[in-house]
This record gives sequence, C-alpha cells and structure tokens, in this order.
Amino acid sequence: AQKITQTQPGMFVQEKEAVTLDCTYDTSDPSYGLFWYKQPSSGEMIFLIYQGSYDQQNATEGRYSLNFQKARKSANLVISASQLGDSAMYFCAMREGRGGKLIFGQGTELSVKP
Amino acid sequence: DAGVTQSPTHLIKTRGQHVTLRCSPISGHKSVSWYQQVLGQGPQFIFQYYEKEERGRGNFPDRFSARQFPNYSSELNVNALLLGDSALYLCASSSWTGRVGNTIYFGEGSWLTVV
Repeated sequence: AQKITQTQPGMFVQEKEAVTLDCTYDTSDPSYGLFWYKQPSSGEMIFLIYQGSYDQQNATEGRYSLNFQKARKSANLVISASQLGDSAMYFCAMREGRGGKLIFGQGTELSVKP
Repeated sequence: DAGVTQSPTHLIKTRGQHVTLRCSPISGHKSVSWYQQVLGQGPQFIFQYYEKEERGRGNFPDRFSARQFPNYSSELNVNALLLGDSALYLCASSSWTGRVGNTIYFGEGSWLTVV
C-alpha cells in the first residue's frame, strides 16, 4: 500500500499567487516526521520544511508552510507568493519512528507562469 | 559550511561493469543514507549507515553494497550493472540520533547511465 500519496502529477500557478501541493500519508506509528523537498531539473533534493507528528503547530519556513491535519493524515505544502524559480518537482516524504529511512511520494511538478 | 558532496556527478558505464559512488556528509553528521531515483519516480531507499554500521537496507539485490568510513564518508558500490540501474543516486546526511526530528539533507546526486 502507498504510504505517501501525492495526487497531483502537475500543477500550474500564476507568479505571485499562492499554491497548495497535496500530500496524504499512511502509518500506524504514532511517532513520525513529514518532509517536503524541492527538486529542480539539476537533480539536487533541496530540503524545504519539516513537521513532526507531535508538533502542536504547523511548520513554517519563509514562504513555505505545512498544513498538517493529523486526523486526516494530510500534510499539504503551501507556497505563498510564487516565484518563477519555484518551478520544480516537489516531493513529500515520511520517516517512521526511529528509523533513518525516508519514504517518498511520486512527486508533483509545479510550473509557475509569469 | 559545505553541504553534502557527491562524486562523480555524471558517469556512463557498460552493462556488467562495476561502479563506485562517493559521498561526504555535512560536517558533524554521522548518518549517511543512499537512495536511487529512476526517471519519473520518487527516490527509493537503498541503505542507511550510522557510526560505520548498516542500520537499514531497502529492497535492492546483493549487487548493491555500501560502507561508511571513520570520517563518516560513504561509498555505494554496484556490481554487474544492468540497464535498469540507470538512475540518479542520492546521498543523504543527518545527525540521526534516533529521533524522528533530525532533518535530512541531500547532495546533488550522481547521474549513472548504463549502456
């Protein structure tokens, strides 16, 4: 069964607008962490934001925020004021318990239009 | 401070050959993990090493092996290369104390093409 699901293969957003990238996850471990990464065409996986399962507040990092809805098992990434440089693949990933392994979704390709 | 560094960045190998990929973690990080990313998919976990010991292994054949050195750098070795091994190989670094909260950082990857 898919542990991380990203249902949007591709998204378009107008420059300066906000966009939400969806991510749902499945785990029975009460302790887990959720990550979002950006991957430009160069291949580098760039860390954006992290949310722990016990964190009380939604994580924010600059223009990135994570809309964490634990009961719905969703961890959507919100990018505010999109920029042309935000065009890339975005991956949601989860780490369960004390393990060091990340499980990735299939990714969402975001295109920002001028 | 230097981030995660990987080498080589690009390489082409012939089927049946062997390849070694190298990774240096962020200074102070003792955990290194390897991932394989084929075109159009998310990365798949191959190995994790912490303090020079294997701490996790993904669903990859025995042709894949790795090790971690005393300075915490790591090598990923793949023997008897197949066309299907063509992928981006990513190295990840973290301080990993067993806590879920440790952030994981990736290098720029090594693009392997098997012909």
